[in-house]
Amino acid sequence: EAGVTQFPSHSVIEKGQTVTLRCDPISGHDNLYWYRRVMGKEIKFLLHFVKESKQDESGMPNNRFLAERTGGTYSTLKVQPAELEDSGVYFCASSQGREHSPLHFGNGTRLTVT
Amino acid sequence: SQKIEQNSEALNIQEGKTATLTCNYTNYSPAYLQWYRQDPGRGPVFLLLIRENEKEKRKERLKVTFDTTLKQSLFHITASQPADSATYLCALSPGGYQKVTFGIGTKLQVIP
Repeated sequence: EAGVTQFPSHSVIEKGQTVTLRCDPISGHDNLYWYRRVMGKEIKFLLHFVKESKQDESGMPNNRFLAERTGGTYSTLKVQPAELEDSGVYFCASSQGREHSPLHFGNGTRLTVT
Repeated sequence: SQKIEQNSEALNIQEGKTATLTCNYTNYSPAYLQWYRQDPGRGPVFLLLIRENEKEKRKERLKVTFDTTLKQSLFHITASQPADSATYLCALSPGGYQKVTFGIGTKLQVIP
């Protein structure tokens, strides 16, 4: 099966600009998660979709971040306007609908805000 | 607040030896504990899951223990190989579909 794919793999933008990250989960996976790793820190949870609905968005840093999952398929994470502290690696993961199914991660998008 | 501690310093061992990585947690009552492997520039890859009522789980050369009294998990790789060199992440979940919380990871280097 095809894995979780993320696009772009790298993005360098200036402070104040907008960036949109995309995640295509494994086909048939209802659960989709966004995580972020800031340099030197642990991978931190941002939010969780079940199909097209936001199940938990408690990890979203602030209202500059907007996640969507139209039709319950791919997801986008928009940062607008970007700030320096938004730099990091953004990971997307998906899992099947069964409880405690393992997470399947994409290779992440490395975002650098200058 | 909830805290997951992994030795963030690198662990260097000789090929063929057993590598043992530690994960300690505080202010947490996880129902599940998972271990993931992460290689540079890649996303984490799931290795093993152990439930709170399980003491030990094995998969090929991997063994995980889970002590809810000590609030600790040990992750063992027997007969280690240079290909086992990677960062290993401990992850906890309270169960259900609730979010998985990750430790910072321990970098393992297996020396030929």
